[in-house]
Amino acid sequence: DGGITQSPKYLFRKEGQNVTLSCEQNLNHDAMYWYRQDPGQGLRLIYYSQIVNDFQKGDIAEGYSVSREKKESFPLTVTSAQKNPTAFYLCAPHLRGLDQPQHFGDGTRLSIL
Amino acid sequence: KNEVEQSPQNLTAQEGEFITINCSYSVGISALHWLQQHPGGGIVSLFMLSSGKKKHGRLIATINIQEKHSSLHITASHPRDSAVYICAVRGYGGSQGNLIFGKGTKLSVKP
Repeated sequence: DGGITQSPKYLFRKEGQNVTLSCEQNLNHDAMYWYRQDPGQGLRLIYYSQIVNDFQKGDIAEGYSVSREKKESFPLTVTSAQKNPTAFYLCAPHLRGLDQPQHFGDGTRLSIL
Repeated sequence: KNEVEQSPQNLTAQEGEFITINCSYSVGISALHWLQQHPGGGIVSLFMLSSGKKKHGRLIATINIQEKHSSLHITASHPRDSAVYICAVRGYGGSQGNLIFGKGTKLSVKP
């Protein structure tokens, strides 16, 4: 919600295959973040982007890549180098106002076939 | 040591009970969020706190900046409150502008 759209909701990957998770937003957010959630674990930061054509690695970037060619879109590619990709992936903006709730996309659940 | 610790990890309550979930953090923060995650995975923001106390319906959130501690209270709990409640803190600027998450508290309210 909050204008964040993630797709697909469920995604299956074959061994050795790259897959791309979509994150689109329509609220003019500058900063966007990708998080990964594993069972029993807190969400962890994969990549973030504070402005178009710029992005930075988070805590667990290995095996992932992103692009930010336009403000509205921040896709995450899970590459074949990511050996344990099965997880729940969430995309979220960074809202600068202190009195702003934190919105997330509905998430994509990625599984290995 | 995790920067954000939540307790308890799991909580089972009877309908109508008063519930408290605790969050302690060890880093400097600009804000603290309480989030609710339902079984489908979607996350909803409940509160954003930088000081004091906020109330929304049966939910109350408090924060003590000096003690680096926050609590989420649910009064008159109901089975529809069953979810995972997540505490997350936001640091300052750059990568610290991202959220650091607790592992969550799984709440189950029995009728």
